[in-house]
Amino acid sequence: AQTVTQSQPEMSVQEAETVTLSCTYDTSENNYYLFWYKQPPSRQMILVIRQEAYKQQNATENRFSVNFQKAAKSFSLKISDSQLGDTAMYFCAGSYNTDKLIFGTGTRLQVFP
Amino acid sequence: ETGVTQSPTHLIKTRGQQVTLRCSSQSGHNTVSWYQQALGQGPQFIFQYYREEENGRGNFPPRFSGLQFPNYSSELNVNALELDDSALYLCASSPLATNTGELFFGEGSRLTVL
Repeated sequence: AQTVTQSQPEMSVQEAETVTLSCTYDTSENNYYLFWYKQPPSRQMILVIRQEAYKQQNATENRFSVNFQKAAKSFSLKISDSQLGDTAMYFCAGSYNTDKLIFGTGTRLQVFP
Repeated sequence: ETGVTQSPTHLIKTRGQQVTLRCSSQSGHNTVSWYQQALGQGPQFIFQYYREEENGRGNFPPRFSGLQFPNYSSELNVNALELDDSALYLCASSPLATNTGELFFGEGSRLTVL
C-alpha cells in the first residue's frame, strides 16, 4: 500500500526562526515524486517544493528545503526565516508513477510575531 | 495564464439530493482530477479525467461521477447525497505530458449536506 504519514498535527514557530515539518511515506515503486503543498486559509493548495525520488540532492526553493532520506522513506520540510505569511496547513504528498496524489493528514503551522 | 476556477464556492444541500460542481482547468492542461477534503483531513483522490475519459478512480462509490468536456473543463456529480459527503471538493489540473505529478488546484467548492 502507498501511504503518506504526517505525525505532527500542529506546529508553531516564531517569526524569523526555523521550523521542520516531518513526513514519512511508503511505496514499492522506484519512480515517484514527493511534494509539500501549502493550504492557507484562502483554501487554494499551492505547491511549495517537489522532489524526484531518483535525485539524491535535496530540493531547495528559497527559504524552503527538504531532507529526503530515501532508505528511511522520510521527507521533511525545513522552513528558514519563517514569515507570518507561512501560516497555513502543510500537506506532504506522494505521486507514485501516476498523476494521482496521496496526501498526508496535514500539519497546521502557526507563525507568531 | 488563467488558473483553475471552480463553481460554486459554497452550497448547501439536503440528504438524498444531487449536486453538480464545475471546474475550468488551467490553460494548456488537458487533465483534471477531483479530490474530496473532509474537515481536518488531507484531500482524497476521487477520479481523474483525460481526453474526456475517466483515467483512474479512487475508493468512492458509483454515485460519484464526472465528465470532461472538449475544452478540458469538468464536472463532478454526486447523487443521493449523504451527510458524510459534506466536504471541500477540490479540482486540480495538470499537463499530463510532463508526468511530474505536479497539480494546480482551484480554491474548491464547499458542500454542506444537511
